Amino acid sequence: NAGVTQTPKFQVLKTGQSMTLQCAQDMNHNSMYWYRQDPGMGLRLIYYSASEGTTDKGEVPNGYNVSRLNKREFSLRLESAAPSQTSVYFCASRRQGGETQYFGPGTRLLVL
Amino acid sequence: KQEVTQIPAALSVPEGENLVLNCSFTDSAIYNLQWFRQDPGKGLTSLLLIQSSQREQTSGRLNASLDKSSGRSTLYIAASQPGDSATYLCAVPNSGGSNYKLTFGKGTLLTVNP
Repeated sequence: NAGVTQTPKFQVLKTGQSMTLQCAQDMNHNSMYWYRQDPGMGLRLIYYSASEGTTDKGEVPNGYNVSRLNKREFSLRLESAAPSQTSVYFCASRRQGGETQYFGPGTRLLVL
Repeated sequence: KQEVTQIPAALSVPEGENLVLNCSFTDSAIYNLQWFRQDPGKGLTSLLLIQSSQREQTSGRLNASLDKSSGRSTLYIAASQPGDSATYLCAVPNSGGSNYKLTFGKGTLLTVNP
C-alpha cells in the first residue's frame, strides 16, 4: 500500500495564480483532511470530508475550496493564490470508526 | 474551543538521556490523546494513542501518560538516541463519530546529540 500520496511535492506560484493540490489514499478510508502547517502556528485544519460526497470547513477555510472526487481522492484548490498561503500542506485520512489519522508527505507551496 | 500547548518548544539533550515532553489541553472532555512524530520535511506518524479511560500507553522506549482531570499528558523517552531527533506533536479530538477532528499542539523540536 502506498498509504496517502500527495502531488506535487513542491510548487512555486505567483500571486493570483490558481492551482489544485491532489491527495489520494489507498486504504479505503472514509474520512479525509487538509491541513496547513506554518512556523509558530502548528497544524491547522482547512477542510475535511467525513465521507464521500460531504465536505466541511475547518479552522482556516478562507481562500480554499475542496472536492471529494471519490472515496480515494480529496483535492484542495487555491483559486487566486496569495503570499499568505505560502505553507506546507498535508493531507490525512482516517478509516470509519478509527481514531488515528494517516498523513501524506506534504506539499510545499511558495506564493511570490 | 480546545487549545493544546506543548512545552518546551525545543529541547536539546545528549545521547542516552531520559527526557519528558509535556502537553496540556484546556477541555478535559477528550476521547483520547495522540502523540505524533514528524521528521524534517516529512509528514506525521502516529506514535501512541491513549484512550480517555487509560492512564498510560507504552511502545518500546516511549511511554505516554494521561491525566484528564488536570488536562495534561507527558511523553517519556528512555535512553534517547540521535535517531529520536524530530518534532513531537500531541493532538486531541474535538468530538467522536464522523465529525472527528484533531486539534494539534505546536510541537516540541527534539535534538539528541551524539
